Amino acid sequence: AQKITQTQPGMFVQEKEAVTLDCTYDTSDPSYGLFWYKQPSSGEMIFLIYQGSYDQQNATEGRYSLNFQKARKSANLVISASQLGDSAMYFCAMREGQYGATNKLIFGTGTLLAVQP
Amino acid sequence: DVKVTQSSRYLVKRTGEKVFLECVQDMDHENMFWYRQDPGLGLRLIYFSYDVKMKEKGDIPEGYSVSREKKERFSLILESASTNQTSMYLCASSLSGGDAYEQYFGPGTRLTVT
Repeated sequence: AQKITQTQPGMFVQEKEAVTLDCTYDTSDPSYGLFWYKQPSSGEMIFLIYQGSYDQQNATEGRYSLNFQKARKSANLVISASQLGDSAMYFCAMREGQYGATNKLIFGTGTLLAVQP
Repeated sequence: DVKVTQSSRYLVKRTGEKVFLECVQDMDHENMFWYRQDPGLGLRLIYFSYDVKMKEKGDIPEGYSVSREKKERFSLILESASTNQTSMYLCASSLSGGDAYEQYFGPGTRLTVT
């Protein structure tokens, strides 16, 4: 069965340092997509980055990059030069199927990141 | 700017009450979703809809129903609220048919059932 696992309930990082948030997934579908969302304390979910299973290169969006290791079924989020505003809950999510009509996502349990000055 | 709105940020209801949570999106999205979020459990899908009047059960549909009479509006209904339905409820919407289409989320409704 499809599953997303985030093994780090919480993490600390010093301001300006890089941090990696772990995400592993399990699926038997050869076509899938991986998403990362940020949820600040205010509660809204903010889309950060997307990686498709057939994408040859790791996705990047500004200070966010996705370390996609297909053979290991991992899709870790790397945040470079952490800022205080990065303190939030981070969720990894997966969509199965190509051109998924419903775009249904499965979410992990999240990692709470605290950036320290 | 894309927008998903939910009718209430905070709601307090009594056990046995019928509860309506409303979600509206202004992006002409085909797909709409209802999740509940609980500490340590992440987001769990309750129901989703891929078209007007069309719906499918998610992972935890028990105790809930939904209605989608118009494309922009997706309602979650708790027929008889119970204390174990105290949670954060998040609505989302997305386009269909594309690999990278992300879901856009509303601000959430924190429901307390006493």
